[in-house]
Parts: sequence; C-alpha cells; structure tokens
Amino acid sequence: QVQLVQSGAEVKKPGASVKVSCKASGYTFTSYGISWVRQAPGQGLEWMGWISGHNTDANYAQKFQGRVTMTTDASTSTAYMELRSLRSDDTAIYYCARRGGGYWLDPWGQGTLVTVSS
Amino acid sequence: QSALTQPRSVSGSPGQSVTISCTGTSSDVGGYYYVSWYQQHPGKAPKNMIYDVFKRPSGVPDRFSGSKSGNTASLTISGLQADDEAEYYCCSYAGTYSNVVFGGGTRLTVL
Repeated sequence: QVQLVQSGAEVKKPGASVKVSCKASGYTFTSYGISWVRQAPGQGLEWMGWISGHNTDANYAQKFQGRVTMTTDASTSTAYMELRSLRSDDTAIYYCARRGGGYWLDPWGQGTLVTVSS
Repeated sequence: QSALTQPRSVSGSPGQSVTISCTGTSSDVGGYYYVSWYQQHPGKAPKNMIYDVFKRPSGVPDRFSGSKSGNTASLTISGLQADDEAEYYCCSYAGTYSNVVFGGGTRLTVL
C-alpha cells in the first residue's frame, strides 16, 4: 500500500535549521509530487509548498520563501524539507503528503514534531 | 486568519446528516474544480475524504459527499456515526501564486 514514513521528532534552538525526511513506498515516486503541510499546536493546517518527484519543479508558499527548501531523491524515494532561521512560532507538526494532479493530498505521513525552544 | 472560511463547529445525532460549508473566492474555490476535504482525528494525521470537489478516494464510504456552488464548497456526511466525530478541513487550489489554501477547520461532534 502507499505509505509515507517521516523522520523522528526534533528539538532545535532559535536560529537553527531543521531537515525533515519523508520516505515513500508503494507507488512510482516520480509520478507524483510531495507537499508539505504544518500544524501548530491546537491550530489548523498550513500549506508550505510542494516539490515534484523528479526534483525539477517546486512551489513554496510566499510566507516561507527564502527560508524553506524542498527536495526529492528518486533513487531512495525520499523527500526532504529544510526550514532555516527557526523561530519559536515554527514549533509545529510537519506533515508530508503525496500530491495528486488535482492538488489533493493522499496519503499523509505520520507527522514530525519540531520544537523550537531556547 | 485562514483563506477559506468554515464554521467552527457543527453537530448531529447518530444517523442524521450534517453539511460543512467552505467559503472562498473566485480565485480559489470558485475558480477551480480542485476542492478537497480532510478528516483529522485527535493526534492523527489528516485523511483525504473528498477530492476534485466530489470524488471519493478508494475506501471512503459513500456517506461522504462533496459539492460546490459558486465560491462555496460543501461536505455532507449522511448516516452519522460515532467515528465521524473529528476535525474537517477543506482545501482548494488557488492559482500559481497562492497555490493551495486551507480552511480553518470544523469540529464535528456526534451527539
């Protein structure tokens, strides 16, 4: 079955960077993109951007441009999301999700909690 | 403030039907047939329930249905069951600049 498995929880200090991985299985990795969505504690979902499975196209939400980089590695069917210059309000669960042609997201990874604290 | 507007909460009794609305603009919901809905139980990852306005992924019961009229999309859940109690989020494509926007979420309570 189609599955996305994310890396484990991270604790970072303000100003640091974090890189979250998302390993896909059960489908042809290069046939779909990967989107990243985050959810702050007790809050709703926030779309961060997406990257193609070929690592040739990416589109980031304006809010994160200049601070986020998304990449994919087709040889290992793994997507990565790096967020730099972390602030306390970046504390959230970060999800990856397979992106379909109609911009739907299915399935989702289990989520990675990133805590930013001094 | 979220780009798409959803009611904060809705409720219904087992067996009843409820509808959750999702209001956007002509730049997102009204402009494309790319509305999707996600169900999220506490502590769990979201799950796609509807995509492309009205299509159901494999495995999603036909009690879940989606529609759109103008700038407002709707998710209807019929024959409410206890396990339907969850947070529901709508999502829409919003063009090459904004790309994807979510609603603020609706808490469904099954009485």
